[in-house]
Amino acid sequence: KQEVTQIPAALSVPEGENLVLNCSFTDSAIYNLQWFRQDPGKGLTSLLLIQSSQREQTSGRLNASLDKSSGRSTLYIAASQPGDSATYLCAVGRASGGSYIPTFGRGTSLIVHP
Amino acid sequence: DTAVSQTPKYLVTQMGNDKSIKCEQNLGHDTMYWYKQDSKKFLKIMFSYNNKELIINETVPNRFSPKSPDKAHLNLHINSLELGDSAVYFCASSQGRTSGGRGTQYFGPGTRLTVL
Repeated sequence: KQEVTQIPAALSVPEGENLVLNCSFTDSAIYNLQWFRQDPGKGLTSLLLIQSSQREQTSGRLNASLDKSSGRSTLYIAASQPGDSATYLCAVGRASGGSYIPTFGRGTSLIVHP
Repeated sequence: DTAVSQTPKYLVTQMGNDKSIKCEQNLGHDTMYWYKQDSKKFLKIMFSYNNKELIINETVPNRFSPKSPDKAHLNLHINSLELGDSAVYFCASSQGRTSGGRGTQYFGPGTRLTVL
């Protein structure tokens, strides 16, 4: 059974800092890993999707890495801004028959203050 | 245009009632999902459906059933509602039936269900 852990659970930083959010998973037989952000009272927005054959993905100030063998992924946020304040969720996808089953971590709640 | 939409946004009902939540996606995706997010914000998959195969999380009570009238819709029916069913329910979709729907997941805005 896949278990996904995110550290830290909460983070509060001043604007401008570079941040690293961590995600670890117990079963390395994954198809992909996806990072999301969730704003209060809203749905999830996909940030980055890394396929199992890839090592990293970048989008703007965000960079996500994947190390399948060690069961880890990191989300790097450069030059953080107050608008980055949200909960960041990591989801690890595996196969079940012909379908795809994602398992989510409990998230990292980020506050970036001016 | 909204990619994945859900109705209603809020649902307040009495214990024992039967209710439905509707979900529609206009992305042309072939796989849809239902998730439950509890009061501690933990998100767990309930169902995955790709038009031919329904994958059910074994922890989901059989009072919950997904119904798909077509590829763009996956509705969630809940019978005999209980207090513990109170949560936020999210619908999502992704593309890639031949790859098991392993593309990026797009989420709806959620439905907050409160059972009194």
